Amino acid sequence: DTGVSQNPRHKITKRGQNVTFRCDPISEHNRLYWYRQTLGQGPEFLTYFQNEAQLEKSRLLSDRFSAERPKGSFSTLEIQRTEQGDSAMYLCASSFLGQGASQETQYFGPGTRLLVL
Amino acid sequence: AQTVTQSQPEMSVQEAETVTLSCTYDTSESDYYLFWYKQPPSRQMILVIRQEAYKQQNATENRFSVNFQKAAKSFSLKISDSQLGDAAMYFCAYRETQGGSEKLVFGKGTKLTVNP
Repeated sequence: DTGVSQNPRHKITKRGQNVTFRCDPISEHNRLYWYRQTLGQGPEFLTYFQNEAQLEKSRLLSDRFSAERPKGSFSTLEIQRTEQGDSAMYLCASSFLGQGASQETQYFGPGTRLLVL
Repeated sequence: AQTVTQSQPEMSVQEAETVTLSCTYDTSESDYYLFWYKQPPSRQMILVIRQEAYKQQNATENRFSVNFQKAAKSFSLKISDSQLGDAAMYFCAYRETQGGSEKLVFGKGTKLTVNP
């Protein structure tokens, strides 16, 4: 098990373009989370999935943002019509919710750093 | 809404010495989880230690221990015998128990420098 992976690691785009990020969770993890981290701040929650169902979305997730997890495995986060304010590190985390939910821990990927010019 | 406050933007410690990082939080819940995560420069965030609010005993993981004061809503991290590899951003985080919001709420972080 190689942990949570994210691709690409870096993305530079021009304002107004669409971008898509991918997250591959730890295998058999049924929960997947997206966070955004700007410089000098802690990560902020965007959304999370349990299997393929998107169970919670933050108000930070404007209608330009969409996330999917079609088969309950990998997830994609798409940002349409990017703005300079979207520049940030986008972090993915996964966890396993089963019996003994108190053991749930979120494991983070390396992140995708987005720069919107 | 729950909030997490880390009042020390930066801290420094001499190698082999002990340092304590502060964290306070605000919640109306009686049961929840608290975490400390470490984020080394340009590397991914890893879990250092976790505490379940209903447990009285402070969590310990090798050189890392916490001082959990539930009434004061305080959750500090003590690093003993500091090593150069401990240098990183440290984030305190809060999460509700199952049935509530599953998100982690993070503080702004404390940058720890370890001096040789």
